[in-house]
Amino acid sequence: KAGVTQTPRYLIKTRGQQVTLSCSPISGHRSVSWYQQTPGQGLQFLFEYFSETQRNKGNFPGRFSGRQFSNSRSEMNVSTLELGDSALYLCASSLPPRLAGRNSYEQYFGPGTRLTVT
Amino acid sequence: AQSVTQLDSQVPVFEEAPVELRCNYSSSVSVYLFWYVQYPNQGLQLLLKYLSGSTLVESINGFEAEFNKSQTSFHLRKPSVHISDTAEYFCAVSDVGNFGNEKLTFGTGTRLTIIP
Repeated sequence: KAGVTQTPRYLIKTRGQQVTLSCSPISGHRSVSWYQQTPGQGLQFLFEYFSETQRNKGNFPGRFSGRQFSNSRSEMNVSTLELGDSALYLCASSLPPRLAGRNSYEQYFGPGTRLTVT
Repeated sequence: AQSVTQLDSQVPVFEEAPVELRCNYSSSVSVYLFWYVQYPNQGLQLLLKYLSGSTLVESINGFEAEFNKSQTSFHLRKPSVHISDTAEYFCAVSDVGNFGNEKLTFGTGTRLTIIP
């Protein structure tokens, strides 16, 4: 079974621009979560989607948004990029516990998209 | 609110020596506990987890962690490390039983370096 894929893997943008990152979950997984990883702040939760609905949101400004499509693929968008948005953006997918069995509460991470804002 | 503390940011260990990576958490509700590993230029991989039952959990590659409720700890141990264990290790928690419980709160990570 293919793992979580994220595109693009690397991205360079200029301050003020906007960016869209894509995440395709493992087949059958309906929950997709996004995390930002930086050397200073570590791993921080951005938001989580399930069946096209945002269920949970972290403490990030409104410039960060996301959505999920009917095939469970997810995108996140960052508008008006700032230098501090430079980070590794990770997405993770999971199954609902009632379907996951012994793999309950396990999240499977993609390789990430490394965004550099100049 | 939850928080996770990994006191050691870097741990150098000689090959075949034992290692312990420390993790303490704080939460007002019951939590599930996880250890994830990140190899260079890769995403995170689940190493092991504690949901309930036996407080000692093991991974397939020789790591183990013990949940200690009274000390709110979930330290990771391995009796004999290998060069291939060089990576960054993250401790994480999530709320028990909440709908939408996929939100993980991570510690700041411990970089384990194995010295040949």
